[in-house]
Amino acid sequence: NAGVTQTPKFQVLKTGQSMTLQCAQDMNHNSMYWYRQDPGMGLRLIYYSASEGTTDKGEVPNGYNVSRLNKREFSLRLESAAPSQTSVYFCASSSTRTPAHEQYFGPGTRLTVT
Amino acid sequence: LAKTTQPISMDSYEGQEVNITCSHNNIATNDYITWYQQFPSQGPRFIIQGYKTKVTNEVASLFIPADRKSSTLSLPRVSLSDTAVYYCLVGLYSSASKIIFGSGTRLSIRP
Repeated sequence: NAGVTQTPKFQVLKTGQSMTLQCAQDMNHNSMYWYRQDPGMGLRLIYYSASEGTTDKGEVPNGYNVSRLNKREFSLRLESAAPSQTSVYFCASSSTRTPAHEQYFGPGTRLTVT
Repeated sequence: LAKTTQPISMDSYEGQEVNITCSHNNIATNDYITWYQQFPSQGPRFIIQGYKTKVTNEVASLFIPADRKSSTLSLPRVSLSDTAVYYCLVGLYSSASKIIFGSGTRLSIRP
C-alpha cells in the first residue's frame, strides 16, 4: 500500500516547455487534488477532482490543466512553463467517507523553470 | 471563506506541552476545523479535525470554544521530532473546494 505517489520527484524546465506531473493513489479514494507550495508559504489549491470524470478549479488554476484519467490517477499539465511556476507540487487524495479536509499527500515534485 | 490567523512561529523545549491557537472569526455554521503537520521536503500530514468542544487522538488534542471563533491545537510532551510547520484550516465537511492552508505556524523544539 504505497498511498499517494508522484512522478517525477524533480524536474527542471526551460521557459515555454511543457510537461505533465503524474499522481496515483491506491487507497480507492474518490477525490484528488493538486496543490503548489512556494518557498515559505502555505499550500494553494490548483485543481481538484471530487470524483472520477469531474474536475474543478481551485485558487490558482491559471497556466495549468488537469486530467482525471481514472479513479487512481490525476495528472497536472503545464502547457507552457513560466518561471512563476517554479514551486513544489503536491498531489493529495481523500475519501468521501471522511471529511474533505482529511487528505493524504504525496511526497511532492520539485519543479524549477528557468 | 473563513480566513485563519496563526502565529508565524513558536519555540518550546522537549517534554513541554505546546498550544498553538488559530483564529477564525468568520467561521460558518457548517465549517469544520482541521490541523495538518508538515516536515521539510514532505507533504502535509493530517493531525486532527473537530467541530466543537474537544477532540483527542493519539497525537494531539483540539480545543474549540463554544463560539468557535478560535481553536487550539495541543501537543503533549513534545519532542525534537515535533519540529514542523502546523496549519489550521477551516471548511465544509463535505466540500473540497476553497481549501486554504495559510502560512502556518513554524514550531521549533529545543533539547
